[in-house]
Amino acid sequence: GIQVEQSPPDLILQEGANSTLRCNFSDSVNNLQWFHQNPWGQLINLFYIPSGTKQNGRLSATTVATERYSLLYISSSQTTDSGVYFCAVEPGTASKLTFGTGTRLQVTL
Amino acid sequence: GAGVSQSPRYKVAKRGQDVALRCDPISGHVSLFWYQQALGQGPEFLTYFQNEAQLDKSGLPSDRFFAERPEGSVSTLKIQRTQQEDSAVYLCASSSGPTAYEQYFGPGTRLTVT
Repeated sequence: GIQVEQSPPDLILQEGANSTLRCNFSDSVNNLQWFHQNPWGQLINLFYIPSGTKQNGRLSATTVATERYSLLYISSSQTTDSGVYFCAVEPGTASKLTFGTGTRLQVTL
Repeated sequence: GAGVSQSPRYKVAKRGQDVALRCDPISGHVSLFWYQQALGQGPEFLTYFQNEAQLDKSGLPSDRFFAERPEGSVSTLKIQRTQQEDSAVYLCASSSGPTAYEQYFGPGTRLTVT
């Protein structure tokens, strides 16, 4: 099956810093989503981005489908950004999401 | 409702008991998915419904796991004769189309088997 790897696995930032999270996947995809899992376990949709670039406030994402990677940018980080960020892909052969390994982000004061 | 809802939010079962977990998808969403998330891991796919048809159950870990969506809306995931390794968070998601549509997740049911 498709492999999805995220980097870095762990990240500690001071409030106000910027960061880039990366997601690499091993095969073509129909769908790519970025999620933030908050400390209560809720998966919050950040972006639906099978290709191209999108921005939403302090967050933006870019997917280069032909090179099989996606990037999530967080600018001016806040403590509420803490949690685990997942990239998830839907391969061309199946209607289901395969999740990456996750990046655990901690934003400190 | 506005989002995907799941009940119960927490369930403690003794080993060997049967449990039933409920998912209410977003109204009108044709696709419904169940995922299992072990502690410290990402969610893993269990099964997929398009309306009432179960089109993919390749992720169900054993024949003790059974899911249904009889009227194409609410779904129930049933686990028979629970084992300790079944302890996990069970997440339900729905989407408005069959493939390549954004999936929206519920809050999950945390199952603990003692």
